[in-house]
Amino acid sequence: QVQLVESGGGVVQPGGSLRLSCAASGFTFSSYGMHWVRQAPGKGLEWVAFIRYDGSNKYYADSVKGRFTISRDNSKNTLYLQMNSLRAEDTAVYYCAKDQWFGENDAFDIWGQGTMVTVSS
Amino acid sequence: DIQMTQSPSSLSASVGDRVTITCRASQSISSYLNWYQQKPGKAPKLLIYAASSLQSGVPSRFSGSGSGTDFTLTISSLQPEDFATYYCQQSYSTPIFTFGPGTKVDIK
Repeated sequence: QVQLVESGGGVVQPGGSLRLSCAASGFTFSSYGMHWVRQAPGKGLEWVAFIRYDGSNKYYADSVKGRFTISRDNSKNTLYLQMNSLRAEDTAVYYCAKDQWFGENDAFDIWGQGTMVTVSS
Repeated sequence: DIQMTQSPSSLSASVGDRVTITCRASQSISSYLNWYQQKPGKAPKLLIYAASSLQSGVPSRFSGSGSGTDFTLTISSLQPEDFATYYCQQSYSTPIFTFGPGTKVDIK
């Protein structure tokens, strides 16, 4: 079945780094753009980053620009998020999500279960 | 940047009630508006895309309407499994997306 499984979360000190992974299965990963979305404890959803199907273009929220890098390996059906210079406010559940183009509109139709990142000393 | 607001922030309703949630964009976004449902501890689920199109597998009691800056998500007859938080999302400025702050629907 169509599935996204995140991994790599954990506890890291402020200023530290962490790399998240998202393994895709059940669909042609190399044909779809992919997103990272995060949710701080008790808060709403925040879009973090997007990468096109072939990795040719990447986009970031202002809150993570210059610190986070989204990438993908289509041969491994895996999406990544490299997070550097982490801050306490980056503490959140991080979800990967598949982008689906519905003709004139795109939305996030498949989500992973999320991985928790805690930035604390 | 496009800002999204939702009202109310929370509501209490009973099974069988008709529930309406409103989402407003800070500028016109045509019909580039999606709705998601999130239950506690779970990932969000796509309900409605392009303001009014029902995602495959979503019950027909869910409907969406609106265009421009004002949008509505309606649940025609609230079911026990519908108690959740609902988020709108603009896709007008794709691939930069913005979510609304959410509306929590709980049991009266």
